[in-house]
Amino acid sequence: SQQGEEDPQALSIQEGENATMNCSYKTSINNLQWYRQNSGRGLVHLILIRSNEREKHSGRLRVTLDTSKKSSSLLITASRAADTASYFCATLSGGYNKLIFGAGTRLAVHP
Amino acid sequence: GAVVSQHPSRVICKSGTSVKIECRSLDFQATTMFWYRQFPKQSLMLMATSNEGSKATYEQGVEKDKFLINHASLTLSTLTVTSAHPEDSSFYICSARWAGGSWDTQYFGPGTRLTVL
Repeated sequence: SQQGEEDPQALSIQEGENATMNCSYKTSINNLQWYRQNSGRGLVHLILIRSNEREKHSGRLRVTLDTSKKSSSLLITASRAADTASYFCATLSGGYNKLIFGAGTRLAVHP
Repeated sequence: GAVVSQHPSRVICKSGTSVKIECRSLDFQATTMFWYRQFPKQSLMLMATSNEGSKATYEQGVEKDKFLINHASLTLSTLTVTSAHPEDSSFYICSARWAGGSWDTQYFGPGTRLTVL
C-alpha cells in the first residue's frame, strides 16, 4: 500500500527555475528517500534523510524533513531539461524493512 | 558497483501464457529482493519481499499463486506471472538489498515491461 501523497502531481517549469516537490506520509519512519525515474526506466536513488535530520543537501538537491508534520520536500535548484522525470519519495519503516512509495510528481523542465 | 539487472527488459505474450522475469544482483549478494509493479503514470506498488532460501512474503491483495517468486540463490530472484491476462500488463521492477550493507539501501533494476495481448 502507498504510504502517502505527493504534490504537485505534475509540475512544469522553465530551465533555470527551481522546482519544489512535497511528500506527506502517514506512519512513523526511520528514514525517507527520494528517487528519480525517467520515463519507462528504473529508479535512481537521489538522497536519504534520516528521521533525526531536518535538512540535507546533495549538489543541486535540497531535502527537508518535518517529522511533526510527517512531510518532506525536495528542492531542485537551477533546473535543467535533463531533470525532466518523475520523482518519488519513499519511506522505510522499522519492523517492516520495506520501502513504501508515494504517488510521485512528474516534473517537466522546458528549455 | 551494486548493479541489478532484469531480464527480459520487454516481453509481449498471449493471454493465458506464463512469463518469467529474472532479477540478478551482478556484483553483490542479496539476501533480500523486492518486487514492485507500476502501472502507467502511477507509483510503484510493492508486491512481495523475497528472502533467499525461504518463501516470499506477499503484500495484501497480491495473489501468491498468480505471481510465483523464487529466490534460489543470493544473486537471483525470479517472478513468474502465471496464466497472464491483459490486466497483468505492467512495468515490473525488482530491487535488491546487499547482504553486507546498510538495510536502508535498495538497488533497483531497470524494470521489465510486460504486455499481455
